[in-house]
Amino acid sequence: EPEVTQTPSHQVTQMGQEVILRCVPISNHLYFYWYRQILGQKVEFLVSFYNNEISEKSEIFDDQFSVERPDGSNFTLKIRSTKLEDSAMYFCASSVDPGPGNTIYFGEGSWLTVV
Amino acid sequence: KNEVEQSPQNLTAQEGEFITINCSYSVGISALHWLQQHPGGGIVSLFMLSSGKKKHGRLIATINIQEKHSSLHITASHPRDSAVYICAVPYGGSQGNLIFGKGTKLSVKP
Repeated sequence: EPEVTQTPSHQVTQMGQEVILRCVPISNHLYFYWYRQILGQKVEFLVSFYNNEISEKSEIFDDQFSVERPDGSNFTLKIRSTKLEDSAMYFCASSVDPGPGNTIYFGEGSWLTVV
Repeated sequence: KNEVEQSPQNLTAQEGEFITINCSYSVGISALHWLQQHPGGGIVSLFMLSSGKKKHGRLIATINIQEKHSSLHITASHPRDSAVYICAVPYGGSQGNLIFGKGTKLSVKP
């Protein structure tokens, strides 16, 4: 079965450093999403992306976050200057389209630790 | 904003037992997702349903749109079913912008 793949699986970074989390969505999917889950808390929506632009973003997705699809296959989440509170599991997901009849497929997650 | 509540928060069962996990939400929705988060952290989509009932193997999901309530049932539970089960609903009309419940941690003992 096709799957969403994410790299790295775990990254440790110094506070203030830039981090890029990478995702390869399922090949025929057109809608892409990032979510995060702080340890012990609920999963939270960050951003959705379609046709090379952001469709929706949450309050969490502030100016230190950005997303892009640099080469037609990868979908990246960049955190410009990491803070301790950015430590979380980040999930990438994709779907064929955003309609209610379509399943969202999640990756295994990238665990980010900011020290 | 939709509020998503799940119950119970934690559930311990003996292998073979019938399991029910409940989810309620406050605002009408177009579809509801049931997700499984396995111990390694990854998330798998189990069901997406907008009405009635869906079945996949030993898993059954039902939804009552009028009562704003959904249930996930596991028949003949097995230790490999041990995971966190999460209910999620769209925020407004957007499918990807989901509001997630806190999850139900299920532990099935042999």
